[in-house]
Amino acid sequence: GAGVSQSPSNKVTEKGKDVELRCDPISGHTALYWYRQRLGQGLEFLIYFQGNSAPDKSGLPSDRFSAERTGESVSTLTIQRTQQEDSAVYLCASSLGWAGDPTNEKLFFGSGTQLSVL
Amino acid sequence: ELKVEQNPLFLSMQEGKNYTIYCNYSTTSDRLYWYRQDPGKSLESLFVLLSNGAVKQEGRLMASLDTKARLSTLHITAAVHDLSATYFCAVGGATNKLIFGTGTLLAVQP
Repeated sequence: GAGVSQSPSNKVTEKGKDVELRCDPISGHTALYWYRQRLGQGLEFLIYFQGNSAPDKSGLPSDRFSAERTGESVSTLTIQRTQQEDSAVYLCASSLGWAGDPTNEKLFFGSGTQLSVL
Repeated sequence: ELKVEQNPLFLSMQEGKNYTIYCNYSTTSDRLYWYRQDPGKSLESLFVLLSNGAVKQEGRLMASLDTKARLSTLHITAAVHDLSATYFCAVGGATNKLIFGTGTLLAVQP
């Protein structure tokens, strides 16, 4: 597609349920990021995929959070046993990737998934 | 660990006035980005700054980078209401991931 696509756009779930968020990056983009943005807050880094390298999971807040990416395509972010503090907008972004060229690092963001945990 | 801080966190400006947003970062980096986020929308890229002394300008916004001071500024000239948004800086780290600042909410009042 022309841009980064995220689904669903909104998700309401009950505390304790598992949720899966999907991100379709721009075709050809080797780098993919997940960020979390709580209401009125900045962007919190969660995880970073770059090509076939091992993902940087240093931002995942707990072992309830996990993410996968198939090759250089779709990524899913899974939150198990959701808690109310997980409520936030989850943003996905992709780029051409570093490869020593900073101009390729410019991020293109999806419109996000608004997650509400009741 | 790379940390990125912005100030102020909130800025209320009158139309026609000038002001500057500051972005400080904690470790050496050779690239810095500015993004804009409108309410309820996602982020859009504004500027990429790649070297010490780099300056980029578009319209009423001008961004600069001082890598020695680990500081970038986003200067707003003669603000207009359309500039109201949240502005984020992001810094490239050693592991090639981008770390975002806390954001500055800019409200331009008529």
